[in-house]
Amino acid sequence: LAKTTQPISMDSYEGQEVNITCSHNNIATNDYITWYQQFPSQGPRFIIQGYKTKVTNEVASLFIPADRKSSTLSLPRVSLSDTAVYYCLVGDPETGGFKTIFGAGTRLFVKA
Amino acid sequence: DSGVTQTPKHLITATGQRVTLRCSPRSGDLSVYWYQQSLDQGLQFLIQYYNGEERAKGNILERFSAQQFPDLHSELNLSSLELGDSALYFCASSVGWAGTYEQYFGPGTRLTVT
Repeated sequence: LAKTTQPISMDSYEGQEVNITCSHNNIATNDYITWYQQFPSQGPRFIIQGYKTKVTNEVASLFIPADRKSSTLSLPRVSLSDTAVYYCLVGDPETGGFKTIFGAGTRLFVKA
Repeated sequence: DSGVTQTPKHLITATGQRVTLRCSPRSGDLSVYWYQQSLDQGLQFLIQYYNGEERAKGNILERFSAQQFPDLHSELNLSSLELGDSALYFCASSVGWAGTYEQYFGPGTRLTVT
């Protein structure tokens, strides 16, 4: 599995756009990039998944440059309720027997 | 609501005891995953089952075991419990055997070992 590196923590203010970058230098050809969100004492929640370029859904956007060695999760106009831990995962969704590695994630703290 | 259910919600037991945690996956999901999350720690992948068979093993201790039944619910058995086993245990499910990484997590079982 490709190893990922994310900032340990980030602070932001309500209404701002937040960009969290994940580094995955040894990403493999068939690997996808997936982001999860976790609130305290709750299970993680899938946010978005992508392979290349840009993916957008109602919650976030995921930007992946051509070399795919990093990716950026973009949260538009965050609110206090976006305070959570965000995990970046990289792996091949078609490979059986993978081991999901969540890592330490990025703790986002949104202030009023 | 993810559609994944876990019981019990809370469990308090003593060292040396054995407990069983139960998970029911979302309707239609064949894979079940178990994770352990200690206080202020990241999620540790324990084990995955697909349609009754073990598919992947993570950092699961020998004192722990799991199985997935024909109705696809899964149980995680923790024995000879130690204080360090106190944690949140999450179950997740997904559709495929390989997974698309879109896992749906249950609310967790909080285990306290005293």
